[in-house]
Order: sequence, then C-alpha cells, then structure tokens
Amino acid sequence: AQKVTQAQTEISVVEKEDVTLDCVYETRDTTYYLFWYKQPPSGELVFLIRRNSFDEQNEISGRYSWNFQKSTSSFNFTITASQVVDSAVYFCALNDYKLSFGAGTTVTVRA
Amino acid sequence: GAVVSQHPSWVICKSGTSVKIECRSLDFQATTMFWYRQFPKQSLMLMATSNEGSKATYEQGVEKDKFLINHASLTLSTLTVTSAHPEDSSFYICSASKRSPSNEQYFGPGTRLTVT
Repeated sequence: AQKVTQAQTEISVVEKEDVTLDCVYETRDTTYYLFWYKQPPSGELVFLIRRNSFDEQNEISGRYSWNFQKSTSSFNFTITASQVVDSAVYFCALNDYKLSFGAGTTVTVRA
Repeated sequence: GAVVSQHPSWVICKSGTSVKIECRSLDFQATTMFWYRQFPKQSLMLMATSNEGSKATYEQGVEKDKFLINHASLTLSTLTVTSAHPEDSSFYICSASKRSPSNEQYFGPGTRLTVT
C-alpha cells in the first residue's frame, strides 16, 4: 500500500525565515517517483520537482531545495528566505503505479 | 509544453441537474487522463483513471453511475456529474500523462462546482 505522510499541517513564519516541510513515504516498489506541488489560493497545482527512486542527489533551485533520503524514506523540502508569495499549500506525492498525495502543509508567510 | 485546460473553471448548478466538465491536453496526446476531487482544506483524491477508447477505472467508493467519464480522444476527457447534490460540491481537477517512465501527470487548473 502506498502512503505519503506530511507531518506538518500548518506552518507560519515571518518573511525571510527558512521553512522545511517534511515528507515521509511508504512503498514496496523499488522504482517510484516523488513529487512536490504547490497549490496557491487560486487552486491550480504548480509542479515543483520530480525525483526518481534511483537518484538521491539533493537539488537546489533558487530558494527551493530538496533532500531525498531513501534510507529513511523521506523527501523533505526547504524554502530559504521565505517570501509572502510562498504562502500556499504544498503537497508531497508518490507515484509508483498510482499518484498518491500527502495531506498537504499550509505555509503562511507573514510580512 | 504539456498544457492541460479545463472548462468551465467554475460552475453553479441546481440540485438534481447534471454538469459536464471538460479536460483537454492542448499540446500533447494524453495516453491516460485522471480525475481528482478535492474538498476544502483536504488533499486530492483520485476518482478515476481513463485511457482513450476504454472504460474508466474508478477508485473504490466512487460511484461510476454518478460520475460518468468519457475519454473519446487522446486530447479530451469529460466528467459528467449526474443528478448533482450539494455534497458533490467540490474542486475537480483533471490531469493527463504522456507515455513516459515517470508517468508524470500534467494538471489542469481545476473546476469549482457548487450545487445549490
């Protein structure tokens, strides 16, 4: 069975603080893909990153970075120097034979 | 590339009527399309998966007679909510995937349905 757990339901920070969103997944498959999506108030899902199970390299894209640790089945996401525009719901998702989403973490960045 | 559109973006209908939502892949041929439902402050839940020319595969607990899915071409899938009730009010999101190892899904902007 698939399962994606996002431990934090809500996170509130002041602008310029760093934010780390945790994601732990569970799968029996050896080949799978992990994703992070952002959902702003408009509702449209914004793709942030895809990572396959064989690529454990961490990635940085601007203020965003991701830490994939297969040994602990975690795929955490950090926003550095957060901005008000980062306020959104962030979903971690796992795809082996089906795409399953975590419950989401609501991030609020206050000016 | 990989743009998916949905129409309408929002709809209000009366209880008992049917509503059709369209999902189109604009610049690619989608081998598979998916329909998700998202209630307020909740995650996306997969409703059904459809392949062009085949019957849709519904997730457990989703009534196939209520949520009719038609995938007539490689660029168009429709979801019809039949005899809608207020509890069907939700945000409906479609996605489409090309044939690729990652089966990455490209999401539409969503349709907000309100049944009064």
